[in-house]
Formats: sequence, structure tokens, C-alpha cells
Amino acid sequence: DTEVTQTPKHLVMGMTNKKSLKCEQHMGHRAMYWYKQKAKKPPELMFVYSYEKLSINESVPSRFSPECPNSSLLNLHLHALQPEDSALYLCASSQVAGELFFGEGSRLTVL
Amino acid sequence: AQKVTQAQTEISVVEKEDVTLDCVYETRDTTYYLFWYKQPPSGELVFLIRRNSFDEQNEISGRYSWNFQKSTSSFNFTITASQVVDSAVYFCALSEDTDKLIFGTGTRLQVFP
Repeated sequence: DTEVTQTPKHLVMGMTNKKSLKCEQHMGHRAMYWYKQKAKKPPELMFVYSYEKLSINESVPSRFSPECPNSSLLNLHLHALQPEDSALYLCASSQVAGELFFGEGSRLTVL
Repeated sequence: AQKVTQAQTEISVVEKEDVTLDCVYETRDTTYYLFWYKQPPSGELVFLIRRNSFDEQNEISGRYSWNFQKSTSSFNFTITASQVVDSAVYFCALSEDTDKLIFGTGTRLQVFP
């Protein structure tokens, strides 16, 4: 069983919808990440929170809005997405830089 | 700028064969870290190894071994006596002493019985 839990596993939304992806880790890790992965491509870094503060934003469009309510939770708020935003969204946590523990991902389809 | 190149897009082997996955990296930093991750068909990425730039000692873990050579900027991964369960996409990754982890394009390994 994964120690990083992502919900929902699948999400279908229209371009005008507002939805959120949720991630939870109980390993006491200091950092949490959002990555986006398209089919047959490597994961692309979106955001990193370290000690609950946003430390890296890879110039992600504002229609993606991250939130870290506490050290165990990470959300990704989605609004006015485009069909090209359809992808697998991966959450990860780490204590040591680069040693990431990933969740199973949330597969997002934007219609 | 940091970059990771995995020239092998896809490799197919028969069970029990040895297979080497290549990884070449670029960085201007003297302190950096190299990683390998496995992504099986289920989709969840699994951390395999972390290596820092000051430690060129090769590492072996069961059927897995890693060869780090700074002279050629390579960090290759060998699976000995491959098994069907090794079928996955393998990513090499680089971090310049920060939380920013950059992945290579990945190598899809298919092991046939």
C-alpha cells in the first residue's frame, strides 16, 4: 500500500468547472510535490512545498492553484482548465531532497 | 542548465538476460544528486537509488547495480537475470542540491518470458 494517498483516482471535468485534487502523507515528510505526467512522457514538476511554504513554482498557469493546509495535506485546485491539461497528476512527499515517495496519481480528463 | 538524457526509448529482452539502461546527465554544479525511479504499469513511481556527486563508488542491490562515472557524466543501471516483474518504465533523474528533481525521458523495459 502506498503511503501517499491521492483522491480522486479519476476525475472528469468540463472547462468551466472548479475541482480539487487531494493528497495526504503520514510519513512526517517536510516536502510535498505536484507533478504532471502526460502519456509516454516523464513527470514534469509543477509545485513544491517545503515546511508548508511554497518553495518552487515552475511557471504553472494560474488555473492551477496549490494549497498546503498542513504538513500532511496538499491540494491542487483546478479552475477553467483546457483539454490539453488532461494528464496524470502525481503527488509526492520527501524528507531527503530527491527521494520522493509518490502516490498512485489522479487521472484527470478535461472535456 | 540541468538535463538528463536516456537515449534508449524501449528495450526488449527475454527473461534471465542482463540489461543495461543508459543515463547521461548535464549540470554545471559540482554538488548534485542522481536517481533512478521505476514506474510499473500500475503507474506509481518507485524510488530505487540516490547517488551524490562525490561518491563514484558503484552500488549493488540484489539483481540491480549502478555504475556512476563522472568522467563520462553517466549513471547507468544494470539488471542482472531480468524477470517479467522488471517490466516497467525506468527514469533517471537529477537534482542540483535542491528539491527540484528533473527526470529523463525514460526507458521502457519489456521482459518476455
